[in-house]
Order: sequence, then C-alpha cells, then structure tokens
Amino acid sequence: DQQVKQNSPSLSVQEGRISILNCDYTNSMFDYFLWYKKYPAEGPTFLISISSIKDKNEDGRFTVFLNKSAKHLSLHIVPSQPGDSAVYFCAASGGYGGSQGNLIFGKGTKLSVKP
Amino acid sequence: GAVVSQHPSWVICKSGTSVKIECRSLDFQATTMFWYRQFPKQSLMLMATSNEGSKATYEQGVEKDKFLINHASLTLSTLTVTSAHPEDSSFYICSARGRGSPWYEQFFGPGTRLTVL
Repeated sequence: DQQVKQNSPSLSVQEGRISILNCDYTNSMFDYFLWYKKYPAEGPTFLISISSIKDKNEDGRFTVFLNKSAKHLSLHIVPSQPGDSAVYFCAASGGYGGSQGNLIFGKGTKLSVKP
Repeated sequence: GAVVSQHPSWVICKSGTSVKIECRSLDFQATTMFWYRQFPKQSLMLMATSNEGSKATYEQGVEKDKFLINHASLTLSTLTVTSAHPEDSSFYICSARGRGSPWYEQFFGPGTRLTVL
C-alpha cells in the first residue's frame, strides 16, 4: 500500500508558466516532507523540504505547500524553465516504523517544460 | 560537494550468479548509507540502512541472506545480490549521509541497473 502517492506520472508546462506537482500521503505520523529532482542517468538531488509545523517553504523559484488536514503537499515552480524538465519525487519521513531518517518515496512525476 | 558514485552503472548476469554493486562517497565521510530498489514505474523502495562498522538493518520483506550489505569504511558500501534471479532485475540506487548532517539529508548515487538473464 503506497503511503506516498504522486498520481500524475507526467506534466507538461510552457516555459515561463507555473508548474504544480502534487503529492498525497496516508500516514498522519509523517512530519517531514522532501522533494527531489532526478535527471536521466543521475541520482535524485534534494530540492526543497518542509516540516509539518509549517505550511509553506519557499526557496527561489520553488515553493512547497503543505496541507496537513488534507494530507497533501504541492511543489510550485515559477517561472518554469526548460532546465527544470526532470522527474520529481516526493518523499516523507517520521512515521515509518519509528525510524527517523527513512524516506518513503512516491513514484515520481515527469515534468516537461517546453520552450 | 557531496558526490556519491556507484559502480557498475549497468550489469547483466546469468541466473544463479552473484553480483556486487559498489557505492562510494567521494568527498565526504558517509556514516550512514542506504540501499534502494526501484522497479519500472514504481517508487524507490528502501531495502536496508547501514552504519559504518555495524550490521545493516533490513526492511521488512528484504532477504538479508540474498542481499548482502557491507559498509566496511566511511566511504564505501557494497551490495551483493547472491544467486540472482530474473525477478531481481531492477534499478539499485544507494544514498549516503555524512557525519553531522541533518537526519533527513541523503545524497544519492546515479544507480545501477541490474538485468538477470
């Protein structure tokens, strides 16, 4: 049973517009959420994170929003650039067997930003 | 900084043979290393966590006798898939956390694609 769900396998956005990637989770014990970006033939790289005590975290063009009541988080990229084209993974931690530091990943969403 | 490498990047082996995958932290000391497996169109699934100098902790459902993990030094961890079978064909990816790093910080290697014939 997937505890972290990214229901959109792919997303296509025009350059300069906003990209919104969504992630849902089922375990209410999760207290830390992360987004990773992965280019082909490379490992995932950390992008941005948010603690459950916050509902928003911003870093440049990237903003993550957390809605705990809905068990939903989203990553906003604005403005989107062609170099943002990658697979984005949502990950959560804190409730997995009590082992802090273990990350539970979603399946990823492939973002394509068209010039 | 914080580069993690994996070797080999792609390996094909015959059923019944064993395959060793190396994970190295190139510019930092990795006190904790993680091994993940990703099947096509699936998420990264944690297989095991290893701390330098101690035995690996395996996730539920992962056979420790089949997937041997050795974290012998602060820069190297190895995953050996013993008696590999076609169902073990997958993408194996490691990550590492350095000394003093936040608990949530993991730097990932590029992965190793294993194909068992």
